[in-house]
Amino acid sequence: NAGVTQTPKFQVLKTGQSMTLQCAQDMNHNSMYWYRQDPGMGLRLIYYSASEGTTDKGEVPNGYNVSRLNKREFSLRLESAAPSQTSVYFCASSEAQVFNQPQHFGDGTRLSIL
Amino acid sequence: QKEVEQNSGPLSVPEGAIASLNCTYSDRGSQSFFWYRQYSGKSPELIMSIYSNGDKEDGRFTAQLNKASQYVSLLIRDSQPSDSATYLCAVNGPGTASKLTFGTGTRLQVTL
Repeated sequence: NAGVTQTPKFQVLKTGQSMTLQCAQDMNHNSMYWYRQDPGMGLRLIYYSASEGTTDKGEVPNGYNVSRLNKREFSLRLESAAPSQTSVYFCASSEAQVFNQPQHFGDGTRLSIL
Repeated sequence: QKEVEQNSGPLSVPEGAIASLNCTYSDRGSQSFFWYRQYSGKSPELIMSIYSNGDKEDGRFTAQLNKASQYVSLLIRDSQPSDSATYLCAVNGPGTASKLTFGTGTRLQVTL
């Protein structure tokens, strides 16, 4: 049982490049989340998906897009990367009845934008 | 004023002692409270949740909630070096679609 799997684990991009962070969970959870973690800022919610087929903006959605491909997968896309998006990104999931309480986190993606 | 405040630490306690981690929050309507543990370079791990005033115990961990004073605490009894980590407090407002707000965490060091 892998839990929440994120790829890639590390990535370096140049300003203006695009990329997609992948996330998959095998726990049959309905809710999935994307967070970013920056020093001194705490975890901040970028986007979330309460169920398959729905996505909603979180606290810091600007510059990002998401796709809930199916119940298992929730991807985060940076269309035109900016240095301010340098961060550690975490995907998380939770059971339907505990929405907005991320229970399981992936290992994170450490993203640097030059 | 930050919505969820924690002392960044480090909080240093000797092995076997009780570690007390504190968190205050600003939204008086908050209803759900969580503690996550995050080892350096790793992802957060949910360790405790508490929803009503009082204490909730789980093994060596006790969460304490005082809604009137707007604080939530985490006590770790018989602290071990393996407890050395950053502890994140998170607070959820009322309503099923409310925002979960994280504090910036308190770093705990358990010394031998």
